[in-house]
Amino acid sequence: EPEVTQTPSHQVTQMGQEVILRCVPISNHLYFYWYRQILGQKVEFLVSFYNNEISEKSEIFDDQFSVERPDGSNFTLKIRSTKLEDSAMYFCAGAGLSGANVLTFGAGSRLTVL
Amino acid sequence: RKEVEQDPGPFNVPEGATVAFNCTYSNSASQSFFWYRQDCRKEPKLLMSVYSSGNEDGRFTAQLNRASQYISLLIRDSKLSDSATYLCVVNTMDSNYQLIWGAGTKLIIKP
Repeated sequence: EPEVTQTPSHQVTQMGQEVILRCVPISNHLYFYWYRQILGQKVEFLVSFYNNEISEKSEIFDDQFSVERPDGSNFTLKIRSTKLEDSAMYFCAGAGLSGANVLTFGAGSRLTVL
Repeated sequence: RKEVEQDPGPFNVPEGATVAFNCTYSNSASQSFFWYRQDCRKEPKLLMSVYSSGNEDGRFTAQLNRASQYISLLIRDSKLSDSATYLCVVNTMDSNYQLIWGAGTKLIIKP
C-alpha cells in the first residue's frame, strides 16, 4: 500500500534555529497538507497545497513558516526561527481522487525545540 | 462553543462489548464528516467517512444527525486492537481544504 514518507522522524533543535521537515507524498495524490499536533492536543491545520501552489493556510502558518516543492514531487516545511511552542508532531498528508478531505497521513516528524 | 466537540473519555470497555460515542459540530452548513483513529504517538488514519444515510463497515457503524448536529460511531464486539483515540473531523464550509478536528475520544478495551 502506498505511503506518505516523512523525514526526520525526530528532530531536536535549539530555539531560533531553522528547521526543514520533508515529505514524500503518494504519487497520484493531488492535494497536500501540513498539520501539526502539540502533544496531548488536537490536530491543527497549517497549510494546503494544490496545483503547485498554496491553496489555503491557517493563522498558525505565519511568516516563520514556508512550504516548498523543490523538485516537483517532494515537499518541505520550513520553520525559519523556531520557538519553544513550535514543539509538536508535524504531519504531512495527501488526498487524491477520493476527495480533498480524505487524507492519508505520514507517520509524522516530531520536533523538539529546546 | 467549540466547533467540533467530543467527550475526551477515556471509555473503559470490556472486550466484546458494544461502545458508542458522539461528536457535536457547530456549523450547520458542514457537509463532510469523518471518523479517524489515532494510536498513541502515531498518525491519524481514516476509519470511515460518514454519509447522510449512515454507513456500516464491519463492526463499525457511523451515523449523522443533522437536526441535532452530531455524528456517532458505534463499535460492536470490541477488540483489544480497537483501543485508540477516535477523532471526529468535519469540513468547514468556508474552505475546500480545511478540516476541523475534534480533540478525540480515548477508548480503552480491557480483556
